[in-house]
Amino acid sequence: KNEVEQSPQNLTAQEGEFITINCSYSVGISALHWLQQHPGGGIVSLFMLSSGKKKHGRLIATINIQEKHSSLHITASHPRDSAVYICAVFYSNYQLIWGAGTKLIIKP
Amino acid sequence: GAGVSQTPSNKVTEKGKYVELRCDPISGHTALYWYRQSLGQGPEFLIYFQGTGAADDSGLPNDRFFAVRPEGSVSTLKIQRTERGDSAVYLCASSFRPGPYYGYTFGSGTRLTVV
Repeated sequence: KNEVEQSPQNLTAQEGEFITINCSYSVGISALHWLQQHPGGGIVSLFMLSSGKKKHGRLIATINIQEKHSSLHITASHPRDSAVYICAVFYSNYQLIWGAGTKLIIKP
Repeated sequence: GAGVSQTPSNKVTEKGKYVELRCDPISGHTALYWYRQSLGQGPEFLIYFQGTGAADDSGLPNDRFFAVRPEGSVSTLKIQRTERGDSAVYLCASSFRPGPYYGYTFGSGTRLTVV
């Protein structure tokens, strides 16, 4: 069993749809990253969460520390949101354990 | 600088050669991290610097890999006698301090191809 599991692995949706990506973890301390990686591009940190909920534009991230679960939501999805979304859990004060990523494709 | 800069962006080298990968973190960020991402996999931790010292190098796969950060800013990842299995994207990140309460900024990575 992977220590950080994301679902779904692949997601294709139509423009405008509400998107949810889930992350469950069995290790780590009380914080995680949601990151975005475009094909051939670098990694961009979207959120770092240790509790509750954060919102940035059309992106919303929630975390439940007790249940070791986090979700990333995208409202009014757009083709430019197409990317790989990665959940990474803090294993120590500096080391991240990464999920395998969710490949999101938004069709116009 | 405005972001984390990694050079070169792409490097193709022959098996057995020596390569150096450079990471220029955000000014003032004391913590610097190297990760390696092989095709189809998530990044794996290589080494973490706090200031000039390597606080944790447990992720370096073997003694062909070495990293330095002599002045506490720019870091260089050095790979000797490269092997085809070293082909990957090498990612660098920095943060003001280590820990989950400080934002990480990632570079665009160096894609290393060993032929």
